[in-house]
Amino acid sequence: AQSVTQLGSHVSVSEGALVLLRCNYSSSVPPYLFWYVQYPNQGLQLLLKYTSAATLVKGINGFEAEFKKSETSFHLTKPSAHMSDAAEYFCAVSFYGNNRLAFGKGNQVVVIP
Amino acid sequence: DGGITQSPKYLFRKEGQNVTLSCEQNLNHDAMYWYRQDPGQGLRLIYYSQIVNDFQKGDIAEGYSVSREKKESFPLTVTSAQKNPTAFYLCASTEGRQGAGEAFFGQGTRLTVV
Repeated sequence: AQSVTQLGSHVSVSEGALVLLRCNYSSSVPPYLFWYVQYPNQGLQLLLKYTSAATLVKGINGFEAEFKKSETSFHLTKPSAHMSDAAEYFCAVSFYGNNRLAFGKGNQVVVIP
Repeated sequence: DGGITQSPKYLFRKEGQNVTLSCEQNLNHDAMYWYRQDPGQGLRLIYYSQIVNDFQKGDIAEGYSVSREKKESFPLTVTSAQKNPTAFYLCASTEGRQGAGEAFFGQGTRLTVV
């Protein structure tokens, strides 16, 4: 079965420091990979996605992620955290011919002034 | 503006009562989904539909039912058989059926049993 693992449910980062959220997937076929952000009591918004083109993907709000097939990873980074980055972040995976998105359990990011 | 509209934003259910959550999209998307979100659990798929008049169970379909009579509408009924319905419910849609498309989400409905 295909799945996504996000470690560390809560992540604290100082304002101006690097944000790093880890995502690993398990799959027997090439994946499509996504990062979504959720603000309190709202729906999810797409940050970025990998769909077999460039392995380094740039998204909104200064986030980027790199697909590493050998490590089955798609970690999300941002060089300098801002207070507005406080939110919950979800990694998700789907596959060609199958629209079902499988989500990780999420990372709640807290930004410390 | 195109998007997904969920209503109501907050819903209270009494024990033994069925309630229906509304989801409407004007994106002309083929596929629609219902997810349940609980703290620390991520999003779990309840039901999905890839075409009108067809839908499939997700991972946690017990106690829920859906219909897809129109392309733009995908209502979810939480029945009395769902023993722990208190959660945040999210509706989503994608354009095609090939897997690479971005999912668009509604703003969610928070259901509470009273």
